[in-house]
Amino acid sequence: SYELTQPPSVSVSPGQTARITCSGDGLPKQYAYWYQQKSGQAPVVIMYKDSERPSGIPERFSGSSSGTTVTLTISGVQAEDEADYYCQSLDNSGAWVFGGGTKLTVL
Amino acid sequence: QLQLQESGPGLVKPSETLSLTCAVSGVSISGTNYYWGWVRQPPGRGLEWIGSIYNSGNTYYNPSLKSRLTITVDTSKNEFSLKLRSVTAADTALYSCATENHSYGGGDFRGPFDDWGQGTLVTVSS
Repeated sequence: SYELTQPPSVSVSPGQTARITCSGDGLPKQYAYWYQQKSGQAPVVIMYKDSERPSGIPERFSGSSSGTTVTLTISGVQAEDEADYYCQSLDNSGAWVFGGGTKLTVL
Repeated sequence: QLQLQESGPGLVKPSETLSLTCAVSGVSISGTNYYWGWVRQPPGRGLEWIGSIYNSGNTYYNPSLKSRLTITVDTSKNEFSLKLRSVTAADTALYSCATENHSYGGGDFRGPFDDWGQGTLVTVSS
């Protein structure tokens, strides 16, 4: 079955840049989406179609794609960015797949 | 304003069927080009997509759940439902209904989940 692989955790100090990767064989052909989920809350879409940012999402969030890996970059990390981040993409049968999630810790 | 509200039993016995309904308000299911989906999250763990349905009844299911899963839509009641058969403790999770936002997607009316219900915790235990 199709899998998306994320690092379980990323830690950065405030003001630094955090990069969260998501790897999957289908990513060259299918878009990736990113969610931010804070404790006790529903996930929020923070990136769509690899690198498009919904309105209301701060500019410090950006996305990129290269081959089988997509990357969510958070520049100038703030304490409020501490959360779980999930990538998502479609497999070739139309089924959604989520990555395992990455816990971002702001030191 | 689109709102989603899950309802159903919070406790299900092993081997029985988990049944949940998502009531939609603010929009008409039959009048929208949305896929309506279910996502679950076991306590302390990650997100798992369960399945999605269009107002025509067209469905996509998680392959790992497909043999136990049925998702239906009732446009007259403006709601959609989930039935998961033969449950085990591994099916214990927060179950949420959500809409796919196709304006963010790559086509075929599919897109990431942009509006969510509050979720309902379902525990499988005898």
